[in-house]
Amino acid sequence: GENVEQHPSTLSVQEGDSAVIKCTYSDSASNYFPWYKQELGKRPQLIIDIRSNVGEKKDQRIAVTLNKTAKHFSLHITETQPEDSAVYFCAATKAGYSSASKIIFGSGTRLSIRP
Amino acid sequence: ETGVTQSPTHLIKTRGQQVTLRCSSQSGHNTVSWYQQALGQGPQFIFQYYREEENGRGNFPPRFSGLQFPNYSSELNVNALELDDSALYLCASSFRDREQETQYFGPGTRLLVL
Repeated sequence: GENVEQHPSTLSVQEGDSAVIKCTYSDSASNYFPWYKQELGKRPQLIIDIRSNVGEKKDQRIAVTLNKTAKHFSLHITETQPEDSAVYFCAATKAGYSSASKIIFGSGTRLSIRP
Repeated sequence: ETGVTQSPTHLIKTRGQQVTLRCSSQSGHNTVSWYQQALGQGPQFIFQYYREEENGRGNFPPRFSGLQFPNYSSELNVNALELDDSALYLCASSFRDREQETQYFGPGTRLLVL
């Protein structure tokens, strides 16, 4: 069935260093890949997304890459700051089809930024 | 913050009871999806409503049901509550189009079943 695997489950980096989170999806029909950040007790917030016709997208300190052939996508955060500490979820969906565009989430990565 | 709101914020019920959770979608959105997020896990898709009809369902039993109203707001109903139903329930609204369907989440309702 549809599945998204996410690694690592926990990640601790020194403030100012980079953080990388990797995901793999199983459904080759997936065409839209959002990333959500969830702080403790709060809603998941969309931080960046990428469509299947794009290989890379960047927004300030955050970038996402997609390899459709390998069905891999990754989140890169540069110059990490304390406020980047949160749980990050990758996700995959088939947007625009007649069936429901349900989001399949990864299991999450708890990112901690050490001062 | 998104324009998606949910009520109530917290709820305590006992086993066997029924619960109704509510979601108001962001202005301009026509699709509402519901997710269950257990502690320490990623959200799991329950179902989606589009044009007032259920349009896709995850691996949840029929005691999980819903509605979407003409103003695109939505309800999630859970009957015969079980202890394992304790979770954060999130709704997400979106506008369906061909290329992408970004879903924006509400703050969630935290349900505790005793």
